[in-house]
Amino acid sequence: NAGVTQTPKFRVLKTGQSMTLLCAQDMNHEYMYWYRQDPGMGLRLIHYSVGEGTTAKGEVPDGYNVSRLKKQNFLLGLESAAPSQTSVYFCASSGKQGEGNQPQHFGDGTRLSIL
Amino acid sequence: SQQGEEDPQALSIQEGENATMNCSYKTSINNLQWYRQNSGRGLVHLILIRSNEREKHSGRLRVTLDTSKKSSSLLITASRAADTASYFCATPAPNSGGYQKVTFGTGTKLQVIP
Repeated sequence: NAGVTQTPKFRVLKTGQSMTLLCAQDMNHEYMYWYRQDPGMGLRLIHYSVGEGTTAKGEVPDGYNVSRLKKQNFLLGLESAAPSQTSVYFCASSGKQGEGNQPQHFGDGTRLSIL
Repeated sequence: SQQGEEDPQALSIQEGENATMNCSYKTSINNLQWYRQNSGRGLVHLILIRSNEREKHSGRLRVTLDTSKKSSSLLITASRAADTASYFCATPAPNSGGYQKVTFGTGTKLQVIP
């Protein structure tokens, strides 16, 4: 039982390049999230999904796109990378169970540097 | 926008001592969560406390919630070097229908010295 797996773990890009970060979860969770973590700023929500085929914007969505074609996968795309997108990216998932938030399960992150 | 804010930002204690960190938030909430993040790893869920609970325990962890003061505290008793990590509180994001989203604070960085 792997939980949440993020691919790749590290990546260096040049400004203007594109790439896709992959997140996979094996817990049959409905909700999936992409966050970025920058020093001194905590985690900020980029995009999230409440089910297969649905996505929604979070707090900092500009410059990113997402897709959730399969329930277990949530992809984060950078179409034209900028140095300001240098960050650590975390994917998380949670179940949907009655009222109130459910615990989120996190992957170990993708460390992305944009030169 | 940030809902929860941890205090202190950093805390250094000797092994065996207790560690207390606090979280204050701005709007009424249904629940509050605490997470731990070890260096270079993802966040790990520790405990969730609901608004009708005042205190909750899990092993060496004790969480309190005071909805009148809009604050929560996380107490780690008899700390160990392995408790060295950053700790975050998470509260339901404002205007988040269906409790789909949470917002995280900037965290308390705890160092436990052996």
